[in-house]
Amino acid sequence: GAVVSQHPSRVICKSGTSVKIECRSLDFQATTMFWYRQFPKQSLMLMATSNEGSKATYEQGVEKDKFLINHASLTLSTLTVTSAHPEDSSFYICSARPTMGPYEQYFGPGTRLTVT
Amino acid sequence: AQSVAQPEDQVNVAEGNPLTVKCTYSVSGNPYLFWYVQYPNRGLQFLLKYITGDNLVKGSYGFEAEFNKSQTSFHLKKPSALVSDSALYFCAVRDGGSSASKIIFGSGTRLSIRP
Repeated sequence: GAVVSQHPSRVICKSGTSVKIECRSLDFQATTMFWYRQFPKQSLMLMATSNEGSKATYEQGVEKDKFLINHASLTLSTLTVTSAHPEDSSFYICSARPTMGPYEQYFGPGTRLTVT
Repeated sequence: AQSVAQPEDQVNVAEGNPLTVKCTYSVSGNPYLFWYVQYPNRGLQFLLKYITGDNLVKGSYGFEAEFNKSQTSFHLKKPSALVSDSALYFCAVRDGGSSASKIIFGSGTRLSIRP
């Protein structure tokens, strides 16, 4: 089956620094990737949709200058949390939609970000 | 606009009994419906999906779900619950009428199976 990986799985950073999270589709090409955020005991909230080679589309209320998304290839999307604050601490999950086959959306294992 | 509702925050069932986790949805086009399960500090695991065809969908780990268009529901079911089924379950919907549509998740239902 299709596999999506995320790196790192856990990261702790200091307030004010930036952290980059990678999302890779390992055995398929993904024109479209999605970034979700999940607070403890809550649902997944879609942050943004990224299409390979173009700018990401952000959901309402998500700061695009704070959460930088780059989808430079058909197998890699990155999310950079800039000038992180403790309130950015969350579980970030990426998802990839295969270029071939419009129904599926495969999810990565998630990245736990803790900002101290 | 699309939305999905899971009316129960928690469902408690005794092991061996049947379980149902409820989900209702709203989309403007054809609904693509999904169920995912999440264990603590883990990502999502796909259980099953409905795109078209038979209203009763069978998925992983003995779970099934029934698509009911008139009631706009997609309830998750299992005939005999296991303690290992205890986890957080998410219903999700995507508007199949648009290639640009995204998967939107419900609020989640915590399933607790007691021995």
